[in-house]
Amino acid sequence: AQTVTQSQPEMSVQEAETVTLSCTYDTSESNYYLFWYKQPPSRQMILVIRQEAYKQQNATENRFSVNFQKAAKSFSLKISDSQLGDTAMYFCAFTYSGGYQKVTFGTGTKLQVIP
Amino acid sequence: DAGVIQSPRHEVTEMGQEVTLRCKPISGHDYLFWYRQTMMRGLELLIYFNNNVPIDDSGMPEDRFSAKMPNASFSTLKIQPSEPRDSAVYFCASSPGGQGRLLGNIQYFGAGTRLSVL
Repeated sequence: AQTVTQSQPEMSVQEAETVTLSCTYDTSESNYYLFWYKQPPSRQMILVIRQEAYKQQNATENRFSVNFQKAAKSFSLKISDSQLGDTAMYFCAFTYSGGYQKVTFGTGTKLQVIP
Repeated sequence: DAGVIQSPRHEVTEMGQEVTLRCKPISGHDYLFWYRQTMMRGLELLIYFNNNVPIDDSGMPEDRFSAKMPNASFSTLKIQPSEPRDSAVYFCASSPGGQGRLLGNIQYFGAGTRLSVL
């Protein structure tokens, strides 16, 4: 079974600075998807970015980008120009491609953006 | 679309009472998931449905928990009888099947129900 590990329970960053959240995973499969979800204090889980394992190019969404290292099974999230609204829990998640729909989530990293 | 809608937003009940949580998935989504989130255990998948049929309920903690999906637009998670250790935030999420799988099985979450069992 796949596992997702987030080794940083909490992090903080100054407003406008850059921060990187780490995630590693374990799987024997070669086709899968990886995600970062954000959970602000309002509780609603929101998709931030996704990566398809067969694509070598790292995904980017505005200030959010990932560093996907397939051989190392690493999937880190970089937030540039951090904003107060980025304060949230961030969850790394994994799912196999194909028909199977179960998603495995990491334990989360609590990010605090400091004014 | 309004997104995944859960009700109630908050629920406070006494031990032994029956609790019913409700979820309306995004129209057209084939998959529906129920999760439980606690500080100790993080986000746990309880059960998921495909086209209203339960596919995997291995995460349901015990017989006190049951989930139904009578139609494509409504699902319930019931706890009977409730216990203090059931206190958590319960999320419902939906995901498109078919072509949606090409997008990587993205799940869309509701705002959750915070359950407190006294």
